Amino acid sequence: NAGVTQTPKFQVLKTGQSMTLQCAQDMNHEYMSWYRQDPGMGLRLIHYSVGAGITDQGEVPNGYNVSRSTTEDFPLRLLSAAPSQTSVYFCASSEQATSGRAGDTQYFGPGTRLTVL
Amino acid sequence: AQSVSQHNHHVILSEAASLELGCNYSYGGTVNLFWYVQYPGQHLQLLLKYFSGDPLVKGIKGFEAEFIKSKFSFNLRKPSVQWSDTAEYFCAVRNRRDDKIIFGKGTRLHILP
Repeated sequence: NAGVTQTPKFQVLKTGQSMTLQCAQDMNHEYMSWYRQDPGMGLRLIHYSVGAGITDQGEVPNGYNVSRSTTEDFPLRLLSAAPSQTSVYFCASSEQATSGRAGDTQYFGPGTRLTVL
Repeated sequence: AQSVSQHNHHVILSEAASLELGCNYSYGGTVNLFWYVQYPGQHLQLLLKYFSGDPLVKGIKGFEAEFIKSKFSFNLRKPSVQWSDTAEYFCAVRNRRDDKIIFGKGTRLHILP
């Protein structure tokens, strides 16, 4: 298994450009999520999904869209990039959508480092 | 809304010292609790988690944590740290109502050889 994969590893955008960060997992996990990591801020939840066709907002959803058309993929779209979105983005997945069950360890991808000029 | 507070932002210890990192959360319902570690240049890995049952949980590399429900706390401990424990540590909480997983701001641990 490849686990959780993210592409690209690095990206530089200009203000106003749009792009999609890709995330895929091959573990048949129900739960997937996107976080951004900024110095001194920890990881902040952007959006998450408890299964195909279901998404919900996290702590900092503004400026980002997601969709979950398949179990494997959970792309994150930046609609109009802003310098405040410069960050490292992590995708994560876990086996069970319903918490309270044993399979809710999150597996993280390697991250995408995004710079918006 | 749930939140997670990690009291220590930066901790410096000598090898063999004992470690305790604080984590408090605010959420009135049932939760699952986690500690993750991020070694320099790597992505996050699970150290341990509280799911149910015994509030004292043991994880990898000699770490343990105790869930004290009355204090909304889940502090991480290790009796004797090693230089290789230098990393950033994150506490996380998952509520059982909407399955949102929220992280604390992290504690950067630096172990002096």
